[in-house]
Order: sequence, then structure tokens, then C-alpha cells
Amino acid sequence: NAGVTQTPKFQVLKTGQSMTLQCAQDMNHNSMYWYRQDPGMGLRLIYYSASEGTTDKGEVPNGYNVSRLNKREFSLRLESAAPSQTSVYFCASSDLGNTIYFGEGSWLTVV
Amino acid sequence: GQSLEQPSEVTAVEGAIVQINCTYQTSGFYGLSWYQQHDGGAPTFLSYNALDGLEETGRFSSFLSRSDSYGYLLLQELQMKDSASYFCAVSGNDYKLSFGAGTTVTVRA
Repeated sequence: NAGVTQTPKFQVLKTGQSMTLQCAQDMNHNSMYWYRQDPGMGLRLIYYSASEGTTDKGEVPNGYNVSRLNKREFSLRLESAAPSQTSVYFCASSDLGNTIYFGEGSWLTVV
Repeated sequence: GQSLEQPSEVTAVEGAIVQINCTYQTSGFYGLSWYQQHDGGAPTFLSYNALDGLEETGRFSSFLSRSDSYGYLLLQELQMKDSASYFCAVSGNDYKLSFGAGTTVTVRA
């Protein structure tokens, strides 16, 4: 089982560049999430999608956009990357919101 | 909004017992869950409590008191491989899962 797959694993961007983080899950889960993790800050929710066709802001949505392309896929886009967006990004999925399964993470550096 | 508080660090020796406390404030509370994360890895699910009481899964147990907005994770018979960060998280009726800042557990020989 692949579980939650996110790409790319590593990326270096220049300030102002755009990019999309891709995420797909094969567990038929309704809910999907994007978190960022910074040292000492824990996991902070950027956006989530409770079900196909819906998206909602989390704690730190500024500078990001998301697309729930279908039940399997949930992408995160940085339109104009800033150094403050240097972080580790985790995609996750859940069926009922009480147990979530994470992807392996994407390490993003903005210079 | 939601907020969670847990200690930042705990150190113990192999074979010992460690308790990580978590207090939370949230609306529409559904449950409290715990996740483990090793350095460089992804968080992985450990346990979930929706009702008051103790849930036991092998060496790990988790407790919840809804009236006190409090829970804890108990790690017994500590092993070196238990050195990791542990996060509590609360879920609400909006399916959003919010995490605490994490507790770094260091196990010494």
C-alpha cells in the first residue's frame, strides 16, 4: 500500500517563484490536509478539505492556495515563494478526522 | 480556535515510565489523539481517545478527561527507539486536526 504519496521530496526555490506540491492517497479517505512543520512549532494546518469539492483555511493559509482535484488528490500551490515559506510540508488524509495518515514530507527551501 | 499545551522536553532512562501531559482548549471537541515522529520522518498515529478513560496499546497508554480538557500519553518500559517527538492533537466536528508543539523524549542508556 502506497498510503499518502507527495512530491517532490526536496525543492529549492528562488524568492518569487511558484510551485505546486502534489499529494495523492489511495485509502479512499474523504478528508485531506496540508501541514507545515518548522523547528519548535509543531505541525500547523495550512488548508484542509473535509470532502471532495470543499476546501477550508487552517491556521496559516496566507501565501498558499489548494485544489482538491478529486477524491484522491489534493495539491498545494505557492504562487510567489518567500523565505518564510521555507519549511517541511506534510500532506495527510483521514476518513473520520480522528486518525490521519501522513505522507513522507516535502522539504522546501526558498532562497 | 484551538490551542494545546504540552511540555517541550522529557528525558528518562531505559526501562523507565514517562508521562506526557496535554491540556487543550477547543470548540466542538471530538477526541484527543497522539502521534510519534522520529527525526526526519513523518508523524505516525499512536492512539485516540474520544471518551474519558484509559486506552492501552502495548507499552503505550493514553488517557482522557473531557471535563478537565486534559489527557496524557504514558510510555512504559522505555526503549532507546522511543526517543522521538510526541504530539497531542484535538479533532473537532469540522474534521480539522490541530496539533500541539510536541514533546521531545530522550531515552538514555
